[in-house]
Amino acid sequence: NAGVTQTPKFQVLKTGQSMTLQCAQDMNHEYMSWYRQDPGMGLRLIHYSVGAGITDQGEVPNGYNVSRSTTEDFPLRLLSAAPSQTSVYFCASSYAGNMGLVRNEQFFGPGTRLTVL
Amino acid sequence: GQQLNQSPQSMFIQEGEDVSMNCTSSSIFNTWLWYKQDPGEGPVLLIALYKAGELTSNGRLTAQFGITRKDSFLNISASIPSDVGIYFCAGYLTQGGSEKLVFGKGTKLTVNP
Repeated sequence: NAGVTQTPKFQVLKTGQSMTLQCAQDMNHEYMSWYRQDPGMGLRLIHYSVGAGITDQGEVPNGYNVSRSTTEDFPLRLLSAAPSQTSVYFCASSYAGNMGLVRNEQFFGPGTRLTVL
Repeated sequence: GQQLNQSPQSMFIQEGEDVSMNCTSSSIFNTWLWYKQDPGEGPVLLIALYKAGELTSNGRLTAQFGITRKDSFLNISASIPSDVGIYFCAGYLTQGGSEKLVFGKGTKLTVNP
């Protein structure tokens, strides 16, 4: 298994540009999520999904969109990039427990380092 | 905002020393997880705790789920240079019928040979 893969590894954008960060997992995990990591802030949840066709907002969703058309893929879209979105973005996945409640360990991808000028 | 208070923020120790870090919260958590992040990599799970009072070991690492379900600690015994990295606590918090994984801000560990 490749686990959780993310592309690109690095990206530089200009303010106002849009782009999509890709995330894929081959472990048949129901639960997928996106985090951003900023110095001294730990990881903050942006959006998550408990299964195909279902998404929900996390702690810092503004400026980001997600969709989950398949179990394997969970892309994160920046509609109009801003310097405040400069960060390292991590995608994660896990099995979902009973009744959609997530109790299992999340596996993280290697991250995408995004700079917005 | 951030719901887990992790301390200390950083530690500088000598090889061979023991390390202790902890997380506290005003909220009750159902699961506590401890992750380690190496530079340029994503976090990797070290230990998962599922029951209040649970004490779990993984090699030189020991973690406990607090009885009140509002805290957890991680101990590393006899530290070695490869223990260097950022350690995060994380917990599953039930909100609005779903569970979300929230992270502490991390403890940066430096081990001097």
